[in-house]
Amino acid sequence: KAGVTQTPRYLIKTRGQQVTLSCSPISGHRSVSWYQQTPGQGLQFLFEYFSETQRNKGNFPGRFSGRQFSNSRSEMNVSTLELGDSALYLCASSSEGGSGELFFGEGSRLTVL
Amino acid sequence: GENVEQHPSTLSVQEGDSAVIKCTYSDSASNYFPWYKQELGKGPQLIIDIRSNVGEKKDQRIAVTLNKTAKHFSLHITETQPEDSAVYFCASYRGSNYKLTFGKGTLLTVNP
Repeated sequence: KAGVTQTPRYLIKTRGQQVTLSCSPISGHRSVSWYQQTPGQGLQFLFEYFSETQRNKGNFPGRFSGRQFSNSRSEMNVSTLELGDSALYLCASSSEGGSGELFFGEGSRLTVL
Repeated sequence: GENVEQHPSTLSVQEGDSAVIKCTYSDSASNYFPWYKQELGKGPQLIIDIRSNVGEKKDQRIAVTLNKTAKHFSLHITETQPEDSAVYFCASYRGSNYKLTFGKGTLLTVNP
């Protein structure tokens, strides 16, 4: 069974640009969550989607947004990039989202110059 | 909001020794406690978990204990091997929030 797939794995952007990251969950999983990992803040929750509905959102500015498609694939977007947005963005999938068993992808490493 | 404290931040042991990592959580409604192992350049990998209705769970060399009253849970690794070297994260989860709250991580180094 294929795991969680995230694309792109690495990307470099400049301040003010926007970026879109993609996540394909494990087949059959309907819940997708996004986390930001930085050395200073650790792993921080961004948002969670289930059946195209956002069920929870973390404490991030409105520049961070996401969506989920009918096939459970998800994207997150960060607009007007800032230097502090440089991080590893991790996607995790779960069968229903209420059990807690989250399986993570390898992440997308974003560098903002 | 929910907070998870994890100690120690770094841990160095000799191959064959045991390693223990401890976490405390603040939200009494949390009901699921997973542990993740993250190797360099990779995403976190779920290695063991425990639910709030269980006090202890074991999987080969790895065990987790939970004390709901004290809001403590711990990871125990016995007979450590060099390939156990990684960053370990504890987390807590409340089903109604659909999110994991992570500890800051423990860098475990197993010296051959």
